[in-house]
Amino acid sequence: GDKVKQSPSALSLQEGTNSALRCNFSIAATTVQWFLQNPRGSLINLFYLVPGTKENGRLKSAFDSKESYSTLHIRDAQLEDSGTYFCAAEEDPGYQNFYFGKGTSLTVIP
Amino acid sequence: EAAVTQSPRNKVAVTGGKVTLSCNQTNNHNNMYWYRQDTGHGLRLIHYSYGAGSTEKGDIPDGYKASRPSQENFSLILELATPSQTSVYFCASGDAGENTLYFGAGTRLSVL
Repeated sequence: GDKVKQSPSALSLQEGTNSALRCNFSIAATTVQWFLQNPRGSLINLFYLVPGTKENGRLKSAFDSKESYSTLHIRDAQLEDSGTYFCAAEEDPGYQNFYFGKGTSLTVIP
Repeated sequence: EAAVTQSPRNKVAVTGGKVTLSCNQTNNHNNMYWYRQDTGHGLRLIHYSYGAGSTEKGDIPDGYKASRPSQENFSLILELATPSQTSVYFCASGDAGENTLYFGAGTRLSVL
């Protein structure tokens, strides 16, 4: 089965509203990264996390290694937040393999 | 600013032909990666490298070779391209410490 499961698979948000994306891990994740793939296809790194939380502007992410999940919260969604969000979990830092989820497609509606 | 450059950006190849995808990074990162992205699969790791001269197999290495002749350059080689290798390929680099991945813009490969 999938080592990283993302939910929801797709989401529409009204501009200015808030939402949360989630990744559940079936591996013993040690680090997590979140990426945004924009409509042009570029993958942009949003967060690198060890267990704990990080915040950057309207985005906030948390990683709980004991409960095997990570969340990405989007506050006051803007049109430019549209795209596909991926999380990637690293199991063994020495192995250098990141397992990616299948993504959450987010559309922000005016 | 981290910079990972892939070439070509688009490629059409014939079945059985040889294809080389190139990646250059100016970040001085030790680690480099090749992923492919397909609908329904997300990103899957093909090969990666810890540094010049090193290549390691990822999750789906069959049909691919990799070459890391220098710190900056990492190539993905399809010796005998097949239609199943039609995909979008991404190169990434990362540091050995906090291994944040920086991706290139991707190469869209079609094998006819």
